[in-house]
Amino acid sequence: GAGVSQSPRYKVTKRGQDVALRCDPISGHVSLYWYRQALGQGPEFLTYFNYEAQQDKSGLPNDRFSAERPEGSISTLTIQRTEQRDSAMYRCASSGGRWETQYFGPGTRLLVL
Amino acid sequence: DQQVKQNSPSLSVQEGRISILNCDYTNSMFDYFLWYKKYPAEGPTFLISISSIKDKNEDGRFTVFLNKSAKHLSLHIVPSQPGDSAVYFCAAKGSGGSNYKLTFGKGTLLTVNP
Repeated sequence: GAGVSQSPRYKVTKRGQDVALRCDPISGHVSLYWYRQALGQGPEFLTYFNYEAQQDKSGLPNDRFSAERPEGSISTLTIQRTEQRDSAMYRCASSGGRWETQYFGPGTRLLVL
Repeated sequence: DQQVKQNSPSLSVQEGRISILNCDYTNSMFDYFLWYKKYPAEGPTFLISISSIKDKNEDGRFTVFLNKSAKHLSLHIVPSQPGDSAVYFCAAKGSGGSNYKLTFGKGTLLTVNP
């Protein structure tokens, strides 16, 4: 079956621009997560949704970062006024429930020039 | 402060031999541990997990061992195959309200030579 998909796969943007990263979870998965992975590091938690409710945003680095999942399916991570330090791989994962195995998408590699 | 540590950035083994990947953790609230495998240009794929109530979990060629007193776990792959060459991430999560939040190590690149 279809796994988690993310788009775009690569995004190059100029400092100061806004970017929106999309995640399409596995069909029927109620839990959705965003992680950020710097080069040479493991993924770091950003935020968690249960259906459409954002239940934890403690990992978002600052208020330029926001996420939504309005219909409990597709999610968008938005970074406003991008900075070079935002360059990283952004990974989305989904699971059938908060206790269940998380399945990761291929990620969006963001490069801020 | 790294709560999950994979101190070996890389490991190279011969095909057919055993691969042992190690992971240490510092947070005593962690009670569930996972290994993910990642090929280039793909997302991490779940491999095997273990609950803190067990000290061993086996799935085919893959076995995870947990030593709670030492806050140490290891992944054994026997026999190793060239297709096992990938980055392996150790991850942990706790019980309670944040039991969805995975904390990852930096990963170990395993190379299995034919």
